[in-house]
Amino acid sequence: EAQVTQNPRYLITVTGKKLTVTCSQNMNHEYMSWYRQDPGLGLRQIYYSMNVEVTDKGDVPEGYKVSRKEKRNFPLILESPSPNQTSLYFCASRPTARSYNEQFFGPGTRLTVL
Amino acid sequence: TQLLEQSPQFLSIQEGENLTVYCNSSSVFSSLQWYRQEPGEGPVLLVTVVTGGEVKKLKRLTFQFGDARKDSSLHITAAQPGDTGLYLCAGDVSGSRLTFGEGTQLTVNP
Repeated sequence: EAQVTQNPRYLITVTGKKLTVTCSQNMNHEYMSWYRQDPGLGLRQIYYSMNVEVTDKGDVPEGYKVSRKEKRNFPLILESPSPNQTSLYFCASRPTARSYNEQFFGPGTRLTVL
Repeated sequence: TQLLEQSPQFLSIQEGENLTVYCNSSSVFSSLQWYRQEPGEGPVLLVTVVTGGEVKKLKRLTFQFGDARKDSSLHITAAQPGDTGLYLCAGDVSGSRLTFGEGTQLTVNP
């Protein structure tokens, strides 16, 4: 089954404790991205990657890091989480960078930073 | 300031009613997409429109892209409880970056 998977689905952590949210897709997509979803603000892009070893900042990159060492994986790293990073996070992928392609989203990771 | 403004933000209707959701911007989009998101899941693509004035139908859902490619609408005919969800529009101004609206939460009551 073609899908985007994220782990963990739920995470409660404390300020300053480094964490990684994994994302993997099995569709051989070139383009992957991370979004956060907050009430009243919609989905905002954090980082995106057009292909292996090519990453770039989205609209809200502060406090986050990403890497794209393999085509299928695109982990999101929070080196020192803070309470304002409490949010619902989505990983997404699509065949190429062209935005008219269908974009597939993962099931989401609900992160709470205390 | 949101690049894409969706209205209404919340909509609660009875089964069988019709409704329209709007997505507006001052920017011109090369393409625009509509997604539907259910609780506990990621958004799922409903449609992509790319041509000004384009109309696409998906069963009881009708999507329209404005002639100037700055706005779009989603019309649902005879809404059903299964249509309940968060409807998101997303526009592309650069060819590769999607900007999402804040969403319209639709509840269809039996």
